[in-house]
Amino acid sequence: DAMVIQNPRYQVTQFGKPVTLSCSQTLNHNVMYWYQQKSSQAPKLLFHYYDKDFNNEADTPDNFQSRRPNTSFCFLDIRSPGLGDAAMYLCATGGIGSPLHFGNGTRLTVT
Amino acid sequence: GESVGLHLPTLSVQEGDNSIINCAYSNSASDYFIWYKQESGKGPQFIIDIRSNMDKRQGQRVTVLLNKTVKHLSLQIAATQPGDSAVYFCAENKGSNDYKLSFGAGTTVTVRA
Repeated sequence: DAMVIQNPRYQVTQFGKPVTLSCSQTLNHNVMYWYQQKSSQAPKLLFHYYDKDFNNEADTPDNFQSRRPNTSFCFLDIRSPGLGDAAMYLCATGGIGSPLHFGNGTRLTVT
Repeated sequence: GESVGLHLPTLSVQEGDNSIINCAYSNSASDYFIWYKQESGKGPQFIIDIRSNMDKRQGQRVTVLLNKTVKHLSLQIAATQPGDSAVYFCAENKGSNDYKLSFGAGTTVTVRA
């Protein structure tokens, strides 16, 4: 059974049109992460939540925001998508010193 | 900044042979390492992990070796199968004060029939 569920699997948005990606987890872990993965590259951490504490990576653009209304759900908001934001967005959850569990990602296309 | 990296971007292996995927890391403070497998269109899938107080750990058909002296990590896959074709990433977690994972660049493994 999937432990980290991401919706939708594929998302197409227009240049500059806000888009929201969603993630839910059934593991009840404290920490949730959002990674960006571009073609043929390694996943790159955008930010993470430890409970309700939001932690942004230093090089994550302001265009990316996140919300975590409860333990199970986390959202990635891209306020004004550019062509360079086309990528696979991966959500993950895990605990300290334990492996992260990833969802199957949302592939974002910007037209 | 310090990061985990892989030696080779691609590896082609004959079905039934053993595969060895290598990874070098530069952060001596790292104390937890993980190998992930990522198939096309899917998220990374956990394979095996190892902590810095160990130098070897075995799973089903997989073995991870850690050499802290030269900061090297490897993943060995025994009797490689077509289903092992994927991109393999090593990742490091710097321990109890840093539970974020930093990924290496990945090795694409192709299994030849």
